[in-house]
Amino acid sequence: GAVVSQHPSWVICKSGTSVKIECRSLDFQATTMFWYRQFPKQSLMLMATSNEGSKATYEQGVEKDKFLINHASLTLSTLTVTSAHPEDSSFYICSARGLAGGAGQETQYFGPGTRLLVL
Amino acid sequence: AQSVTQLGSHVSVSEGALVLLRCNYSSSVPPYLFWYVQYPNQGLQLLLKYTSAATLVKGINGFEAEFKKSETSFHLTKPSAHMSDAAEYFCAVTYSSASKIIFGSGTRLSIRP
Repeated sequence: GAVVSQHPSWVICKSGTSVKIECRSLDFQATTMFWYRQFPKQSLMLMATSNEGSKATYEQGVEKDKFLINHASLTLSTLTVTSAHPEDSSFYICSARGLAGGAGQETQYFGPGTRLLVL
Repeated sequence: AQSVTQLGSHVSVSEGALVLLRCNYSSSVPPYLFWYVQYPNQGLQLLLKYTSAATLVKGINGFEAEFKKSETSFHLTKPSAHMSDAAEYFCAVTYSSASKIIFGSGTRLSIRP
């Protein structure tokens, strides 16, 4: 099946630093990528939707200046958490939507997630 | 607007027993519905999806779900639970393949030996 990778899988950083998370679709071109955030024992909350070459659309309550999203190509999107603080500690999951494996319609595939811990 | 409600944040069944995880949806248009499974510290894996074809959908690992429009439900079942089924399960909805997916709050499934 289609594969979406995330790098790094986990990261620990000091408060005030910025952290970049990469999301790649490995065997298909993703017309749209999504970034989710998941707190412990909670559901996934959509943060933003991005289309290649255009600005991301952020969900209500998500600070666009804090969570910078760059969808540079059809296979790569990055999420940068700027000036990270302990409350930004969370599990970040990306998703890529595209045609993969001969599928007749676009499907959304999820990455394995990145765990961020801000000290 | 679309939404899903998962009844029961935690379900515990004995190994070999029936698994039933409940999901009700709200949608003003015909929905696409999904069930995902998440193992600890991992991403999501698609179990099955309903996209307006057959109302009874069979997925991986022996799971299946039935779309019941009259009850606005999409409950997930498995005839016989296995220890490896212990995980978090999420019901999700969207209204087209091009739209964002909205997730339910999740149900943690525990399996008793």
